Order: sequence, then C-alpha cells, then structure tokens
Amino acid sequence: EPEVTQTPSHQVTQMGQEVILRCVPISNHLYFYWYRQILGQKVEFLVSFYNNEISEKSEIFDDQFSVERPDGSNFTLKIRSTKLEDSAMYFCASSPLAGGPIEQYFGPGTRLTVT
Amino acid sequence: AQTVTQSQPEMSVQEAETVTLSCTYDTSESNYYLFWYKQPPSRQMILVIRQEAYKQQNATENRFSVNFQKAAKSFSLKISDSQLGDTAMYFCAFMKHEGGGADGLTFGKGTHLIIQP
Repeated sequence: EPEVTQTPSHQVTQMGQEVILRCVPISNHLYFYWYRQILGQKVEFLVSFYNNEISEKSEIFDDQFSVERPDGSNFTLKIRSTKLEDSAMYFCASSPLAGGPIEQYFGPGTRLTVT
Repeated sequence: AQTVTQSQPEMSVQEAETVTLSCTYDTSESNYYLFWYKQPPSRQMILVIRQEAYKQQNATENRFSVNFQKAAKSFSLKISDSQLGDTAMYFCAFMKHEGGGADGLTFGKGTHLIIQP
C-alpha cells in the first residue's frame, strides 16, 4: 500500500540554523500539507499546497517558513533561522484530487529538536 | 474559525469492553467533514473513521463507529470489543469543504486511551 514518507526521522539543529524537512507524498496525490505537533499538544495545521502554490496557511506559517515542490516527487518545508519553540514533530500529509476520497494520509513525522 | 473540543484527556478501560470518546465542535460552516485519527506511541497519525456532515447515517468501520449529532455539534467515537492495540492518543478533527481538497484539518487536544489487559 502506498504511503507518505518523510526524512529525516529526527533532526537536531542549533538555534538560528536553517532546516529543510522532506516529504514524498503518495504518487497520485495532488494536495500536500504540513502540520506540526509540539510535544504533548495538539496537531496544528501549517500550510496546504496545490498546483505548485500555497492554497491555505495558518497564522503559524509566517515568513520563517516556506514550502516547495522542487521536483515531481518531493515536498519540502524549510524553516529559516530556527528558534527553540520550533522544536516539534512535523507531519507531512497528502490527499488525492478533489472529488475522490478526501482523507489526508499522514507520514510518520520528523522530530525536530532545536538546541 | 472552527474549534474542536475533546473533554476527556485520558480514559482507561479493560480489554474487550466498549468505550466512547467524546468530541464537540463549533463551526458556522454548513459543508464539512469530521474525522477520528489514532496516534500510537510511534506518533504516526492513522485515520480511523470519517463522517460527511451531509450524511445522516453514522459511519462505521469494523469495531469503530461514530455517533454524529449535527444539531448538537457532537461527534463521538465508539470502540467495541477494545483490544490492547487500541491503546493510543485519539484525535478528533474537523475539515471544512469548499469544493477543493486543500483545507487544513483542525484537531482537538486528544484523548489518551489506555486498554488494560
């Protein structure tokens, strides 16, 4: 069964550094999402992406964040100048074309630790 | 904006018992979906069940079923014949649906369900 994959599984970085989190969505999916979950808290929506542009973003998704689909398979989340409070689990998700099933399929997550 | 409330931070039941997790939501949207996701210790988010708001019939998936009360904005999850593998965090989630697929999910804070042997 196809699944969303994410790399790395754990990333440790120093405050102020840039990080890129990578995701490979399910191959025939067209909508892509990033969420984050600070330890012990709920999952929060960051951004959705369709047709090579951002469709929707939350207030969390400020200028520090950017997303990109650099090729036909990868979907990335870049965090510039990381802060301690960026430490969280980051989940990528994808869903198929509208009109079909609307479930979002989640990857296993990347644990980001900012020191 | 939507809000999702899960009022039970933790629940514990014996194996084989039936357990119900509660969820309420607030929205002004008329077209939306509701979901329950399971997050085991691995922290992978796994879809358990979904409900379209326009459907009156409650969704069921094997041992999992929902009680969807649209007027009350309530969406509870019932797990029958609970198993040890059901131990996990359970998140209720809301998604508005405006014809596309790009809407983000709004999650509740979760209920930690523990199935005791």
